[in-house]
Amino acid sequence: AQSVTQPDIHITVSEGASLELRCNYSYGATPYLFWYVQSPGQGLQLLLKYFSGDTLVQGIKGFEAEFKRSQSSFNLRKPSVHWSDAAEYFCAGTDNYGQNFVFGPGTRLSVLP
Amino acid sequence: DVKVTQSSRYLVKRTGEKVFLECVQDMDHENMFWYRQDPGLGLRLIYFSYDVKMKEKGDIPEGYSVSREKKERFSLILESASTNQTSMYLCASSLGPTSGRAGEQFFGPGTRLTVL
Repeated sequence: AQSVTQPDIHITVSEGASLELRCNYSYGATPYLFWYVQSPGQGLQLLLKYFSGDTLVQGIKGFEAEFKRSQSSFNLRKPSVHWSDAAEYFCAGTDNYGQNFVFGPGTRLSVLP
Repeated sequence: DVKVTQSSRYLVKRTGEKVFLECVQDMDHENMFWYRQDPGLGLRLIYFSYDVKMKEKGDIPEGYSVSREKKERFSLILESASTNQTSMYLCASSLGPTSGRAGEQFFGPGTRLTVL
């Protein structure tokens, strides 16, 4: 069965520090992969997506993610975190029909001043 | 920009009431989804629909039903609300498989439902 895992439930970083949020997937074929961000009390906003091609994808708000087939990973990175990045981050994947959409459990990011 | 709207941001109902949650999208998306989100449990898929009048059960369909009479509208129905259905409900839509970009889901702002 398809699955998406996020090993870290909660991460705390200092403002200005770099960030990496981990995501691993298990799919029969190469899935489409996504990162979403959710601020408290809000819906989910798409940060970036990977369908095919270049394995390093750029997203909004200065985020990027790298697809590594050999490691079944799609980790999210940001070189310098801002206080406004504090939120919950969800990795997700689907097959190319878009119907077997699976979310990871989420990683909550706290940012220290 | 894709816009997904949900009929209410906050809703308070009593046990046993019939509850309708409405979701509308304006980008002609084929797929629409209903999730509930609870602390520690993440997002769980209740139902989805890949076409008008079509529906598929997700992971937790018990106690819920859905209706999709028009392509842009997907309704979630709680036939007899119970306290364990107190949750945040999120609607989403996405393109279908022929688009080559299936899976990119666009979310509404959510409805926080409290059942007393």
